[in-house]
Amino acid sequence: AQSVSQHNHHVILSEAASLELGCNYSYGGTVNLFWYVQYPGQHLQLLLKYFSGDPLVKGIKGFEAEFIKSKFSFNLRKPSVQWSDTAEYFCAVISRSSASKIIFGSGTRLSIRP
Amino acid sequence: GAVVSQHPSWVICKSGTSVKIECRSLDFQATTMFWYRQFPKQSLMLMATSNEGSKATYEQGVEKDKFLINHASLTLSTLTVTSAHPEDSSFYICSAHKREASSSYNEQFFGPGTRLTVL
Repeated sequence: AQSVSQHNHHVILSEAASLELGCNYSYGGTVNLFWYVQYPGQHLQLLLKYFSGDPLVKGIKGFEAEFIKSKFSFNLRKPSVQWSDTAEYFCAVISRSSASKIIFGSGTRLSIRP
Repeated sequence: GAVVSQHPSWVICKSGTSVKIECRSLDFQATTMFWYRQFPKQSLMLMATSNEGSKATYEQGVEKDKFLINHASLTLSTLTVTSAHPEDSSFYICSAHKREASSSYNEQFFGPGTRLTVL
């Protein structure tokens, strides 16, 4: 069965620190990969997505992610975080054969100290 | 844009009653909508896939008689929690599937969620 693993449950950083959130998936076929963000009290928003082409994907708000097929990874990065980045981050995957069902990781809570 | 709304945003009900939650795609047609459940500090768990004009497909472990899903139009899906109990208290989120003409990828847009509290 497909699964998505986010190893960091809670990350605490100071403003201007660099961020990397890990995401690994288990599925051998072709996948689409996503990072979603959920700000406190708000709904899920798409940060970025990958489904083909350049494995380094740029998203909104300065976020980027790199798809490394050999490692089944899709880590999220941001060179310099801001207090407003405090949120819950979810990695997700859709396999091409799964009728568009999204499988979410367990989420990583990011807390930024001002 | 692609906006998905949910109504109500928050509901409290007594144990044994039924609650209906609506999910609407406001500016696009969605042949497929998905219903998720999110427990506090946990991830979203897919409950069922709602297809317009046909029966919903439920994930393993989700009681179809407990969580009734109706997708009567291309812009509306409803989830009814029947005979709700305190263990049904959760955050219910829907998403709507928007097909992009330029690719085979169909992006999902999420509603704001409905918080259900069963007393």
